[in-house]
Amino acid sequence: GAVVSQHPSRVICKSGTSVKIECRSLDFQATTMFWYRQFPKQSLMLMATSNEGSKATYEQGVEKDKFLINHASLTLSTLTVTSAHPEDSSFYICSADTPYGGGPVDEQFFGPGTRLTVL
Amino acid sequence: GESVGLHLPTLSVQEGDNSIINCAYSNSASDYFIWYKQESGKGPQFIIDIRSNMDKRQGQRVTVLLNKTVKHLSLQIAATQPGDSAVYFCAENMRGNQGGKLIFGQGTELSVKP
Repeated sequence: GAVVSQHPSRVICKSGTSVKIECRSLDFQATTMFWYRQFPKQSLMLMATSNEGSKATYEQGVEKDKFLINHASLTLSTLTVTSAHPEDSSFYICSADTPYGGGPVDEQFFGPGTRLTVL
Repeated sequence: GESVGLHLPTLSVQEGDNSIINCAYSNSASDYFIWYKQESGKGPQFIIDIRSNMDKRQGQRVTVLLNKTVKHLSLQIAATQPGDSAVYFCAENMRGNQGGKLIFGQGTELSVKP
């Protein structure tokens, strides 16, 4: 099946610094990538939708200037958490959407997640 | 706003028993539903899906039932095994103007006792 990777798998940073997380589709081209955030014992919350070559669409309540998303190619999207604070500590998960699932609905393939801890 | 929710946050079952995990959704326009399994520290793993023109779909040891009348979804796991211990999420696919994004339910933690 389609594989999505994330890098790094975990990162610890100091408050005020910026952190970049990469999401790659390894064996397919993704028309759309999604970024989710998950706090402990909670569900996945969609943060934004990104399409290659265009600006990301952010969900209500998600600060676009704080969570910068760049979708430079059909296989790579990056999420940069700018001026990170302890409350940004979370599990960040990306997914990649492909129209090649054979049905009318695009399949989404999830990455393994990135654990961000801000001290 | 629109959301997908679950009735039970935790479920504990004996190994070998059947498990039933429930989910309620609120958007009657949703046309595709997916169940995911998430193990600790990992991303969601696809289990089974169902489209709105169906009311039942079976996979290996899993069955998903969809009741559009009451907007209810369930996942049945037969002969539950310790390896099934995880958090299970239902997700609702909002097509059309929503661009295919998934809305996840709150999750149910399944614990299988040996």
